[in-house]
Amino acid sequence: QVQLQESGPGLVKPSETLSLACNVSGGSISSSTYYWGWIRQPPGKGLEWIGTIYYSGSTSYNPSLKSRATISVDTSKNQFSLKVSSVTAADTAVYYCARRGTGGRSFDYWGQGILVTVSS
Amino acid sequence: DIQMTQSPSSVSASVGDRVTITCRASQGISSWLAWYQQKPGKAPKLLIYAASSLQSGVPSRFSGSGSGTDFTLTISSLQPEDFATYYCQQANSIPTFGPGTKVDIK
Repeated sequence: QVQLQESGPGLVKPSETLSLACNVSGGSISSSTYYWGWIRQPPGKGLEWIGTIYYSGSTSYNPSLKSRATISVDTSKNQFSLKVSSVTAADTAVYYCARRGTGGRSFDYWGQGILVTVSS
Repeated sequence: DIQMTQSPSSVSASVGDRVTITCRASQGISSWLAWYQQKPGKAPKLLIYAASSLQSGVPSRFSGSGSGTDFTLTISSLQPEDFATYYCQQANSIPTFGPGTKVDIK
């Protein structure tokens, strides 16, 4: 059974860079069948897709983040990472990492989520 | 971007009720639609993918239908564990989610 686990600081100062990692266990991040993504959810609000990466390093991002997001993959560690630069209070959210299948293009496995608060 | 809307935004129902949630896309997305269930403090759980395919392990009381712009999630007989918020997500282009429908106890 695939498991995903987010890690990183829970508090980031405004204008700094948010950095999170997602460790994948129970399956290989190098599988050609899956993409790996980040989704966030501000407190009490809905879900927003941030971006997705393939094991080869190919990425796609939500234009709403205005190029502030960067996703990378480390196949040797079986993990992928997210960086969001120049954060503001609007970036306060629970951040989830998830696996996306190539068949239905839906997110079938999710991490438990990590709350990141942007505050001085 | 493709915008997703859901109706109703909330519904009060009793155990055993049939519940139907509608999701509409701002442009055609073929069958590239998924449904998720989210309980407070938990990650979303995939219920339905490709509009009508039941994810492995999900009870058969959940079903999905539709194509193009209009989609439906139906819970045939609501169970206590089904009280949650439900989101649709289009997968035709960059993923976008609907605003959610909260199903609570009547």
